[in-house]
Amino acid sequence: ILNVEQSPQSLHVQEGDSTNFTCSFPSSNFYALHWYRWETAKSPEALFVMTLNGDEKKKGRISATLNTKEGYSYLYIKGSQPEDSATYLCALDRGGSNYKLTFGKGTLLTVNP
Amino acid sequence: DAGITQSPRHKVTETGTPVTLRCHQTENHRYMYWYRQDPGHGLRLIHYSYGVKDTDKGEVSDGYSVSRSKTEDFLLTLESATSSQTSVYFCAIRGPSGSSTDTQYFGPGTRLTVL
Repeated sequence: ILNVEQSPQSLHVQEGDSTNFTCSFPSSNFYALHWYRWETAKSPEALFVMTLNGDEKKKGRISATLNTKEGYSYLYIKGSQPEDSATYLCALDRGGSNYKLTFGKGTLLTVNP
Repeated sequence: DAGITQSPRHKVTETGTPVTLRCHQTENHRYMYWYRQDPGHGLRLIHYSYGVKDTDKGEVSDGYSVSRSKTEDFLLTLESATSSQTSVYFCAIRGPSGSSTDTQYFGPGTRLTVL
């Protein structure tokens, strides 16, 4: 079984704070790392797909980095807003022909106004 | 939205009854997936399909079967529902380019309660 770990499990920040969380994964059999944003009562929404060691992706105030050699990815949110409150999921794609993803349990971010 | 619908959106059923959930896509994507979401477990893969009539098991497939007779439809069946199958079920499809940067797009979910 492949373990994808996310930390912390939950996080409370104040509006305007910058924050970051971690996704750790086995560095062997790496193909791609996905980040999703999941708001309560909605479905997960894709943020980034990262494939190369040293990759950095950015979408507005959210960015992510990838280290495939040591098996981790960081997600950063700059100047958090209440609408950023959501669960952030990472998922590992080990490759192969069927593109199965193994998800971490997520980090629940709450941004207080 | 990626053109994925799920039906029903909510269902309450009794232990021992069969239940079928439907996932329908309008994107003509080859890969389709069924997940369940439970507190403390995140998203777990039940079954997936890599083409018409081509399916395989995920990590939590016991008690579930699937069928895909058309590209656009992927059915998940609980042969005899149990209370442990109370969950929210998500269908997903994967983009068509075949590149490593394709992502999975999720449907709106089906909330199933087994009494």
